[in-house]
Amino acid sequence: ILNVEQSPQSLHVQEGDSTNFTCSFPSSNFYALHWYRWETAKSPEALFVMTLNGDEKKKGRISATLNTKEGYSYLYIKGSQPEDSATYLCASPSLNQGGKLIFGQGTELSVKP
Amino acid sequence: NAGVTQTPKFQVLKTGQSMTLQCAQDMNHEYMSWYRQDPGMGLRLIHYSVGAGITDQGEVPNGYNVSRSTTEDFPLRLLSAAPSQTSVYFCASVGWGADTQYFGPGTRLTVL
Repeated sequence: ILNVEQSPQSLHVQEGDSTNFTCSFPSSNFYALHWYRWETAKSPEALFVMTLNGDEKKKGRISATLNTKEGYSYLYIKGSQPEDSATYLCASPSLNQGGKLIFGQGTELSVKP
Repeated sequence: NAGVTQTPKFQVLKTGQSMTLQCAQDMNHEYMSWYRQDPGMGLRLIHYSVGAGITDQGEVPNGYNVSRSTTEDFPLRLLSAAPSQTSVYFCASVGWGADTQYFGPGTRLTVL
C-alpha cells in the first residue's frame, strides 16, 4: 500500500523568511505527485502536478522539485507572506489501488507579520 | 464549467437520521471520490469511483454508501447518522492521467 509522508508537521516562520518542506513517497511504481494548498474553511486548491524526475514547477513565489528515483519532492516558498499561511498537502496516485490519490498528512505553515 | 459542486453547504442532523450529500462535476472526469476532514486527521478517503457503475471503499467507509449511475454525479448517503460523522465532507474529481484533482467547496455536517 502506498504511503505518502510529509515533514515537518507544522512550521512557524516570520514574514519574509523563505521556507521549504518535504513530501516522501515510494519510488517504485511512481506515476505522479500532486501538491495542494489548503486554507482554513476552504477546499484544497491544486498547485502542481509533477510526473518527470527532475521536474521543477513554479507559481509566483512557490516552486516545487521532484526526485522520483529517491522518492521525494520539495516545496519552496520564497519570501513568505501571511497570506501563505495554509496547510500544504502532497498526494500520489496509487496504481495498485485503482489510481486513487493517497494524501500525506500535510504541513501546516503559519507566517507571522 | 461549474467544476465540482456540492450541496448542501451546511447540514445539521439528529442521531439516526439519514441523508444524501450531493456531488456533481461537469468536466467529464472518470474518477470521483469523497473525503472527510477531521481535526488532526487530514483528508481521509471514504469511497471512490473510477467510472459510472464502479465504486470502491476507501479508508473509512463504514456508515456511508455511494453509487455512480452517471459520470457526472456521485452522491454520498449516510444511512443512520452518528455524532462521529460530524465532519467536513469534500467531493473531488480528476480525469485520467496526471491530471489535477478538483475539490468541491465542502459540506459541513453536524450530527447531534
